[in-house]
Amino acid sequence: GAGVSQSPSNKVTEKGKDVELRCDPISGHTALYWYRQRLGQGLEFLIYFQGNSAPDKSGLPSDRFSAERTGESVSTLTIQRTQQEDSAVYLCASSLSTAQETQYFGPGTRLLVL
Amino acid sequence: AQSVTQLDSQVPVFEEAPVELRCNYSSSVSVYLFWYVQYPNQGLQLLLKYLSGSTLVKGINGFEAEFNKSQTSFHLRKPSVHISDTAEYFCAVSDLNNNDMRFGAGTRLTVKP
Repeated sequence: GAGVSQSPSNKVTEKGKDVELRCDPISGHTALYWYRQRLGQGLEFLIYFQGNSAPDKSGLPSDRFSAERTGESVSTLTIQRTQQEDSAVYLCASSLSTAQETQYFGPGTRLLVL
Repeated sequence: AQSVTQLDSQVPVFEEAPVELRCNYSSSVSVYLFWYVQYPNQGLQLLLKYLSGSTLVKGINGFEAEFNKSQTSFHLRKPSVHISDTAEYFCAVSDLNNNDMRFGAGTRLTVKP
């Protein structure tokens, strides 16, 4: 595809359930980022993958959050035992390898925890 | 790690007025600076970026920003705004030591007729 895609676009779940969010980056982009955007707030960095290096997990808010990436392709963000405060839009972005490159954002997954 | 502060959470202005959205950053090393824009119900897209060279950077839709190293600032400006500029604007910084990027909390620009 031409851009970053994310699925599902919307997810409604019950408190305590686990959810998986998927991101397909632009082909050839070695860097992949996950962000969280709560309603009316800015972007909160969650995790960053760069090639085969160990990911930067410094932004993950709790041990209920984890993410994986297979090589330089698809990434999955998993939230275990969801809480109502996890409700937000989860954005994925990808870029070429270096810090100066533009990040291209996906449309996001809107998560609502009831 | 680097960080970004956007001093104004909301900026209301009238159409055709000038606007400045403020951004200050913190980093111990040289940085790259970015402004992203999020129009209503759309995804984020790059407005402009500073990598090196001239400190005045021009972007899309008539916006420009000036990198000021001594003041650690990268303020965004437009001399005359349009209704269509209503959006959320995010300043971001990455540094040369690592490739992760940090975003500010955003500034909501509302242009009134």
